[in-house]
Amino acid sequence: AQKVTQAQTEISVVEKEDVTLDCVYETRDTTYYLFWYKQPPSGELVFLIRRNSFDEQNEISGRYSWNFQKSTSSFNFTITASQVVDSAVYFCALSDEETSYGKLTFGQGTILTVHP
Amino acid sequence: EAQVTQNPRYLITVTGKKLTVTCSQNMNHEYMSWYRQDPGLGLRQIYYSMNVEVTDKGDVPEGYKVSRKEKRNFPLILESPSPNQTSLYFCASSSGLETLQYFGAGTRLSVL
Repeated sequence: AQKVTQAQTEISVVEKEDVTLDCVYETRDTTYYLFWYKQPPSGELVFLIRRNSFDEQNEISGRYSWNFQKSTSSFNFTITASQVVDSAVYFCALSDEETSYGKLTFGQGTILTVHP
Repeated sequence: EAQVTQNPRYLITVTGKKLTVTCSQNMNHEYMSWYRQDPGLGLRQIYYSMNVEVTDKGDVPEGYKVSRKEKRNFPLILESPSPNQTSLYFCASSSGLETLQYFGAGTRLSVL
């Protein structure tokens, strides 16, 4: 069965600090997809990134970067020079062959608070 | 504009009073799902549909019903809501099994 663990329930930082959100996943499949979503205080889910299991290249998008390591089953998310607008709940999620990719299995979420 | 539209956005009801949360997508997607979000648990899938008249249970289907009579609509029905169904609900759609899921804006339900 699939499982996604975000061990950090809450993180609090001061603006301009770098912060890393951890995500560890479990799946028996060799083909799977990993995602990060952001949920700002307004409540909607904002898609940030999708990565398939065959692409282990790290990705950078502006202040955001993602580190995918199959050897440790981790897909960590780093925000560089955090800003108050980054305050949100962040979810890591997985879809795989066992569920025919029809379901996203989410982690518990990490509440990030960035103080001015 | 590509959209998944849920209505209502907010709903307060009482135990046992049947309600329906509507979900509609304008992208001609085949796959649609319902999730509920609870603190400390993330989002969990309630039901999903792979096509018209094809639906299946997700992880937490008890107390919910769905129907898929048209491709664009996937309503979530609570026949007899209970307080433990107080939650934030999301509808999602995608064009294929391996494609990105688009989420609606969410429906915040309180059952008193």
